[in-house]
Amino acid sequence: GENVEQHPSTLSVQEGDSAVIKCTYSDSASNYFPWYKQELGKGPQLIIDIRSNVGEKKDQRIAVTLNKTAKHFSLHITETQPEDSAVYFCAAPPSSYAGGTSYGKLTFGQGTILTVHP
Amino acid sequence: GAGVSQSPSNKVTEKGKDVELRCDPISGHTALYWYRQSLGQGLEFLIYFQGNSAPDKSGLPSDRFSAERTGGSVSTLTIQRTQQEDSAVYLCASSSSLAGAVEQFFGPGTRLTVL
Repeated sequence: GENVEQHPSTLSVQEGDSAVIKCTYSDSASNYFPWYKQELGKGPQLIIDIRSNVGEKKDQRIAVTLNKTAKHFSLHITETQPEDSAVYFCAAPPSSYAGGTSYGKLTFGQGTILTVHP
Repeated sequence: GAGVSQSPSNKVTEKGKDVELRCDPISGHTALYWYRQSLGQGLEFLIYFQGNSAPDKSGLPSDRFSAERTGGSVSTLTIQRTQQEDSAVYLCASSSSLAGAVEQFFGPGTRLTVL
């Protein structure tokens, strides 16, 4: 099955700095990589995702990069703000995930606690 | 619109008791997932329902855990003879089966404490 490793487990930055979280995965056939943000007392919420046919995707201050050869993908948050403070999770599906179906049994990383200091 | 809802939000029980956790997915979503999140840990897959297909139960940790989904909508996760190690937040998610619709929408979770 898929194995996802996430680093660092905690990350502390000053407001305005950038934050980078990295994940590696084991199943070379995986083709969909989402990032979720979980605020205290809430369920995770998708913030950005990337498919294996692109190397980078950006949405305002958030970007995700994918290196399929090395089997790792990263979340980049620029100009961090205190409201970015949360737990961030990367995830990957099994190789049988076909993109257009709902077979989304995701394997999640262990999470990164991001703290942005004002 | 309404998101995924779960009840109860908190459940405290004694070791050995049975508990039932409920999930109401987003209307029209055919896929439903249960995950477990232990303190400071990531999300651990438990079970997955997709339409009328047989559920994927490969993540259930023991035969004390079971889940059902009635009428393709509401799901109940049952834990029998609860143990202290069952203490965790149980998260439910749902997703659409439309082509390209891959996002899983999570509920707020049920925090289970086994004394």
